[in-house]
Amino acid sequence: QKEVEQNSGPLSVPEGAIASLNCTYSDRVSQSFFWYRQYSGKSPELIMSIYSNGDKEDGRFTAQLNKASQYVSLLIRDSQPSDSATYLCAVNPDYKLSFGAGTTVTVRA
Amino acid sequence: GAVVSQHPSRVICKSGTSVKIECRSLDFQATTMFWYRQFPKQSLMLMATSNEGSKATYEQGVEKDKFLINHASLTLSTLTVTSAHPEDSSFYICSASTSVAGGPSSYNEQFFGPGTRLTVL
Repeated sequence: QKEVEQNSGPLSVPEGAIASLNCTYSDRVSQSFFWYRQYSGKSPELIMSIYSNGDKEDGRFTAQLNKASQYVSLLIRDSQPSDSATYLCAVNPDYKLSFGAGTTVTVRA
Repeated sequence: GAVVSQHPSRVICKSGTSVKIECRSLDFQATTMFWYRQFPKQSLMLMATSNEGSKATYEQGVEKDKFLINHASLTLSTLTVTSAHPEDSSFYICSASTSVAGGPSSYNEQFFGPGTRLTVL
C-alpha cells in the first residue's frame, strides 16, 4: 500500500465550479499535511498546510483534515483556468515529506 | 512564503562531465535541505536529505558517489552530478525546510526552488 494516495485524474471542471481533490495516507503518526500545486515544467508551490482536524480556508482554497479517517482534501472554489495544474498531496510522518502521485486538474473555460 | 533559489535553471552538458547545482534559501535559514529529481509525467523522487555541517542521507538506490551533496551553510546546499550520462537527464529540484511557529513541534514546511533542467548529450 502506498503511503499517500490521491484520487486518480485527470479532473476536468468548468470554470467557476468547485474542484474537489482527495488524499488518504497510511501512516497514523503523520502530523502535518500539505497541498502543493505544480504547473507543467515548473517546481511545486506550497498552497496550503494543515495540521488540525477540520477546515482551513485561504482565499479560494479550503483544506479539510480528518485524522481519524486518515484523509485530507482540497477544495478549489470558483475554479479558474489558471488553476489548471497538478496538485500534490504531501504528509510529514517524519522529517521527510511523502508525496502522492498527484491529480491533474483542468479547468474548462 | 519563503524563497528558495536554484542555479542554473537549465544546463546542457556532454556525457562524462560534472555539473554543479546550487540551492539557496534567500530569506531564511534552513537546517535541512532536500534534493529531488522528477522525470516527465512522474512524481517527485527524493534523492537525499542534506543537513548543514553533516553528511547527506541518501535514499535507497541513489548513488552517493555519483550525486555529491554539500551543505556548507544554513543557506546553501549544492548537488554535483559527477560523470553525467544521458540517463541522468532530468529535472532536479531542491527544497528547504523551515519550522512554522504555533504548530506542533514537528511542523516544518518545505519550500521548493524553481528547479534545474539537466540535459546530458
